[in-house]
Amino acid sequence: EAQVTQNPRYLITVTGKKLTVTCSQNMNHEYMSWYRQDPGLGLRQIYYSMNVEVTDKGDVPEGYKVSRKEKRNFPLILESPSPNQTSLYFCASKPGHPRLAGGFGELFFGEGSRLTVL
Amino acid sequence: RKEVEQDPGPFNVPEGATVAFNCTYSNSASQSFFWYRQDCRKEPKLLMSVYSSGNEDGRFTAQLNRASQYISLLIRDSKLSDSATYLCVVNSPGGSQGNLIFGKGTKLSVKP
Repeated sequence: EAQVTQNPRYLITVTGKKLTVTCSQNMNHEYMSWYRQDPGLGLRQIYYSMNVEVTDKGDVPEGYKVSRKEKRNFPLILESPSPNQTSLYFCASKPGHPRLAGGFGELFFGEGSRLTVL
Repeated sequence: RKEVEQDPGPFNVPEGATVAFNCTYSNSASQSFFWYRQDCRKEPKLLMSVYSSGNEDGRFTAQLNRASQYISLLIRDSKLSDSATYLCVVNSPGGSQGNLIFGKGTKLSVKP
């Protein structure tokens, strides 16, 4: 089954304790992205990756890191989480056409990871 | 001006009603347009792409007006199961090729 898998789905942690949210897709997609969703603010992009070893900042990258060592995986790292990073996080992927403007392809989302930082 | 703007709603309509959502985008060079649907506490899912000539999928009709830079979604004969948040999505051309920008969404509640 084609899917994007995120783990953990739910996490409560404390300020400053490093954590990683994993994301894996089995559709051989070039493009992957992380979003956070907060009430009244909608989906905001944190980081995205057009392909292996190619990552770029989205709208709200502060406090986050990512890596794209393999095509299927795109982990989100919070080195020192703070309470303002309490949010619902979504990973997504789609076929990428880096040389074409347009962003073709349906964006497939993981089920989300609800993170609470105390 | 925000890149993608939508009326947040909520739109509260009775079953069977016709409801329309509009969305405006700021970058005239955008070329790809979509409507996504998001149920409460679930991930967004593609509802339909929006093509230049307009397109229809059952009770759903999407239209694009490039001159005015807006996209619309029309839902006819609303069902209870249509209750969700509808997200307008536009590609970001230029430096972030392939990147998609989401509106904040319009919430629809269909009542019996």
